[in-house]
Amino acid sequence: GAVVSQHPSWVICKSGTSVKIECRSLDFQATTMFWYRQFPKQSLMLMATSNEGSKATYEQGVEKDKFLINHASLTLSTLTVTSAHPEDSSFYICSAQTRQYLNEKLFFGSGTQLSVL
Amino acid sequence: KQEVTQIPAALSVPEGENLVLNCSFTDSAIYNLQWFRQDPGKGLTSLLLIQSSQREQTSGRLNASLDKSSGRSTLYIAASQPGDSATYLCAVCQGGSEKLVFGKGTKLTVNP
Repeated sequence: GAVVSQHPSWVICKSGTSVKIECRSLDFQATTMFWYRQFPKQSLMLMATSNEGSKATYEQGVEKDKFLINHASLTLSTLTVTSAHPEDSSFYICSAQTRQYLNEKLFFGSGTQLSVL
Repeated sequence: KQEVTQIPAALSVPEGENLVLNCSFTDSAIYNLQWFRQDPGKGLTSLLLIQSSQREQTSGRLNASLDKSSGRSTLYIAASQPGDSATYLCAVCQGGSEKLVFGKGTKLTVNP
C-alpha cells in the first residue's frame, strides 16, 4: 500500500515559537492532503484540506493565520503552527489521497505529538 | 452535523475471545465507513472500508458490517490476540465530500 511519512514524530517547544510539521507521500502523488488534530481522549478532528497548488480549506473554528498549510508539490504538505501556545499541544496527523485510490482507503502519516511548554 | 459514537470506550478481554466493537452515526448519507487501528503515539492503519452500497467486508480475523439505514456498524474480531491491543476508530466519509468524521475510539486490551 501507499506510504505517508510524517516528521517529526514529536516536538517539545517553548511558548511563542513556530513549529513546522512535514507530510510526504513516498510512492504516490497526493492530490489532496488532510490535517487532523487529536486532543487526549477526544476524536480526530479535521483541521484543513489542502489541494496541491491551491489554498487550503480550513474547518470552522480553525485559525488559518495560526495554522499555515502549504501544499507546494504533489508529494509534500507542511503544517506550521505559528506562535504556539500550550493549548496547541496536541497530536497532529496528516493523511493523503490520490486519484488512483479515490474513494478507497486513506493513508495516514505516523503523527506528530506537539507539546508546548 | 454528523456525529459518530463508539461503544464501549474501553474493552478488556482474555486472549482467544471473540469480540464486537460498535459504531453508530447520526446522518445516514454517508459515502463509506472505515475502521482504523491506532497504536499509542502512532498513526492510523486502515483495516476495512465499506462502501455505502455494501453490507460487510472481511479481512482475516476481522469482519465489519454496515447497516446504513439504522446508522450502525460493527467490527467483529475473532480469536483475539494480545497483538490486537490498540485503539480502534470508526470513521464515516460524508456523501459529497472527502472529509472523515471520526468516533472517539474503543481502546481494546487483549490479555495473554
